[in-house]
Order: sequence, then C-alpha cells, then structure tokens
Amino acid sequence: GQSLEQPSEVTAVEGAIVQINCTYQTSGFYGLSWYQQHDGGAPTFLSYNGLDGLEETGRFSSFLSRSDSYGYLLLQELQMKDSASYFCAVGSGGYNKLIFGAGTRLAVHP
Amino acid sequence: NAGVTQTPKFQVLKTGQSMTLQCAQDMNHEYMSWYRQDPGMGLRLIHYSVGAGITDQGEVPNGYNVSRSTTEDFPLRLLSAAPSQTSVYFCASSKPPPGDGYTFGSGTRLTVV
Repeated sequence: GQSLEQPSEVTAVEGAIVQINCTYQTSGFYGLSWYQQHDGGAPTFLSYNGLDGLEETGRFSSFLSRSDSYGYLLLQELQMKDSASYFCAVGSGGYNKLIFGAGTRLAVHP
Repeated sequence: NAGVTQTPKFQVLKTGQSMTLQCAQDMNHEYMSWYRQDPGMGLRLIHYSVGAGITDQGEVPNGYNVSRSTTEDFPLRLLSAAPSQTSVYFCASSKPPPGDGYTFGSGTRLTVV
C-alpha cells in the first residue's frame, strides 16, 4: 500500500517563509509532486522532484530525499494569495498512478 | 486550447440511478485519471489510464467504470449511484514523464440523494 503524511494546517504572516513537510510510504516510488488548490478550485501543479535535491521555481522550492522518504515545499515571501491547500503526491508503482496526501491548509495573515 | 473539460459541472442523482461524467482533453496527453475529493480531504484515485485502450484501478474503484477508446476522452460511469458517492470529481491529464504535472479539469460536483 501507500501512505503520505503532511500537517493538516499551517499559519504564517505575509512576507514570511513556510515549509510544508511530507513523508511517504509507497512501493515503487516514481517522484514527489506538489499541487496547490484554492477553495472551490481545481488543483494546479507546482513542482516535481524525481531525484534527490532541491528544485526552485520562483518563490516556491521543493526538496526530496528518497533515502528518508521525505520531501518538503518551501514558500518564500508569502502573499495573501498563497492562502490555499497544498498537497504532496507520489507516483506509486508508476508515474501515472499519482496518490495524494490529505493536504495542508495554509493561512497567510497580514 | 481548452485543456481538460469536464461536464456536467453540477449533477443531482437519485440513489440507484446511473450516469456518465464526461472528460475530454485537447493536449494529446497519454495519461488520464479520475479523482474524487470529499470535504476537507485529499484527492483519491478512482481509475487511471496510460493510453487508449488501457485502464487500471486506483484506490477507490468500486462502483465506477471507465473506458478509454480515444486519447482525448476518458468518461467515468457510475453504475448505481449511492449517497456515499456524493463528492467532487476531478479528471486530470498529463504527458509522460510527469515533469510538467497533471492538468486538472474544473470538476463535477455530484450529489446523490
């Protein structure tokens, strides 16, 4: 089977940095992805890590350690529009079989 | 370029009725998947496909059927609707490898009474 663990809620202030952790258990690991979802909207892709290390895309960075079955999403210079749910997801048994965590609800306050 | 189109956006069914949720993508993506999302929860994989004619079961396949006769279309059929199938359903597509991630449709909000 597979399981993903991430915090249910995180709170931060505008301009701050926040890190959302994700630990996973899966057979046949095919990469760790991150998605953002605003209330009432559809998930949108943020980043993908297939290999160990850090991937940077603007204010967002994502990290993967396959030996620790662990990754994180780092959001810098937080803005109010970053208030959303963030999901980690792993390819389990194939790139195409994408399994999601329960999500982390991020609230950004002024 | 429409991306991933899901129809209908809203649907109310009576228990025992059947229906098909439509999903179409115009990006020539090989991978397509169906997810359901319940309030306050993550997305759970129902069925997925790696190309026309090839489908497989995800985490919660019971009560749902899929087929993939073309690259563009991936309909989801509810065989006999139950209140437990009340949820928001998302269709998604991707090209392999998933470096660009999955593109999601806007969702179908289904209520079974």
